[in-house]
Amino acid sequence: QVQLQESGPGLVKASETLSLTCAVSGYSISSAYYWGWIRQPPGKGLEWIGTFYHSGSTYYNPSLKTRVTISVDTSKNQFSLKLTSVTAADTAVYYCARLRVMTSPFDYWGQGTLVTVSS
Amino acid sequence: QSALTQPASVSGSPGQSITISCTGTSTDIGGYDYVSWYQQHPGKAPKLIIFGVNFRPSGVSDRFSGSKSGNTASLTISGLQAEDEADYFCSSYTSSITLFGGGTKLTVL
Repeated sequence: QVQLQESGPGLVKASETLSLTCAVSGYSISSAYYWGWIRQPPGKGLEWIGTFYHSGSTYYNPSLKTRVTISVDTSKNQFSLKLTSVTAADTAVYYCARLRVMTSPFDYWGQGTLVTVSS
Repeated sequence: QSALTQPASVSGSPGQSITISCTGTSTDIGGYDYVSWYQQHPGKAPKLIIFGVNFRPSGVSDRFSGSKSGNTASLTISGLQAEDEADYFCSSYTSSITLFGGGTKLTVL
């Protein structure tokens, strides 16, 4: 059974960089599949942030592309999200999740972690 | 790319059927059969309930069904139960991008 767990600071100051990690258990992320990040501002809908393939291909939401970087650490079986120059609008629950292929849905999700941007 | 459009809320009584619409464009919903639906209860992560327009993952009740016509996808829940009260989000693939709808709150009266 694949399990994903997000971790990182729950509070980030405006203009700084948000950094989160997703630890994966039950499957080696270097074997196959795609992995991604999604966020949900309080009381609002889901927003796709980006997706990567274990071979190195990455895909980002055009509206966030200039501020987002997704990277992978196969030795730790985890992947990370960095979002620069954050504002209050970046306050959200951040989820990591898995897709079988780029066209498939997110079938396994982490529990999510709330990140609040303070002024 | 804009988010997909869903009604903010729908409601129904136990035992009834409801349908939630999700409207996109010819370049996302209308162009691919890669529409998915997620159910989200308060404080929980989204759960996949429909993929590929009308396929259910193992373990999802057959009371949930999906369809698509043109640029609009729909989720139908039949035989409403109290436990179905949740937020529902549609999603579509388009040109290496994943789009989500704004979400629909289902209230079981």
